[in-house]
Amino acid sequence: DAMVIQNPRYQVTQFGKPVTLSCSQTLNHNVMYWYQQKSSQAPKLLFHYYDKDFNNEADTPDNFQSRRPNTSFCFLDIRSPGLGDAAMYLCATSRRTPQGDTQYFGPGTRLTVL
Amino acid sequence: GDSVTQMEGPVTLSEEAFLTINCTYTATGYPSLFWYVQYPGEGLQLLLKATKADDKGSNKGFEATYRKETTSFHLEKGSVQVSDSAVYFCALSGTGTASKLTFGTGTRLQVTL
Repeated sequence: DAMVIQNPRYQVTQFGKPVTLSCSQTLNHNVMYWYQQKSSQAPKLLFHYYDKDFNNEADTPDNFQSRRPNTSFCFLDIRSPGLGDAAMYLCATSRRTPQGDTQYFGPGTRLTVL
Repeated sequence: GDSVTQMEGPVTLSEEAFLTINCTYTATGYPSLFWYVQYPGEGLQLLLKATKADDKGSNKGFEATYRKETTSFHLEKGSVQVSDSAVYFCALSGTGTASKLTFGTGTRLQVTL
């Protein structure tokens, strides 16, 4: 089945130690998104790639970076995780069309910062 | 800007009860409307969607109708099951910029035997 895959499902890191989260998709979608979701809240968009074009949200901290080396993969890098960065990180993909698009989410990576 | 308002939870129902979760929106133009469901520890799953006025989205016994006159997209199910216990998010995707999703705050549903 076509899907959005996130690895790892659970990640534990230490305060200030860089961490990379991975997302891959077999849907051949042209847009990939990264969201941060804290407990009991709605997901918050960090940034997205439309093909190779990177689009950062205005309030996303510089501590968060992303890479998209090809259509299938997208990475979220947290350069110096703080305790406040502990959250669920969700990857989503969509195919952008003139009629709009529908986002499909992966299972998420739960990040713990010690 | 765009916004979504959905009813506060938690909603607690007995199995086989009727479910309604209210959702209203504010947006310019003609947004697409979505319901996503999130089970504990999981990502969001698309439950249903509607892309234009009077469209009805349906899936797994859930339904929602895009009502432009009342700017609403209420989620309904005739008979809930324990397995429906989850958090439900109403969302819209506006026209124009980047098809970004604007989410409601989420409604937790707890179904008991």
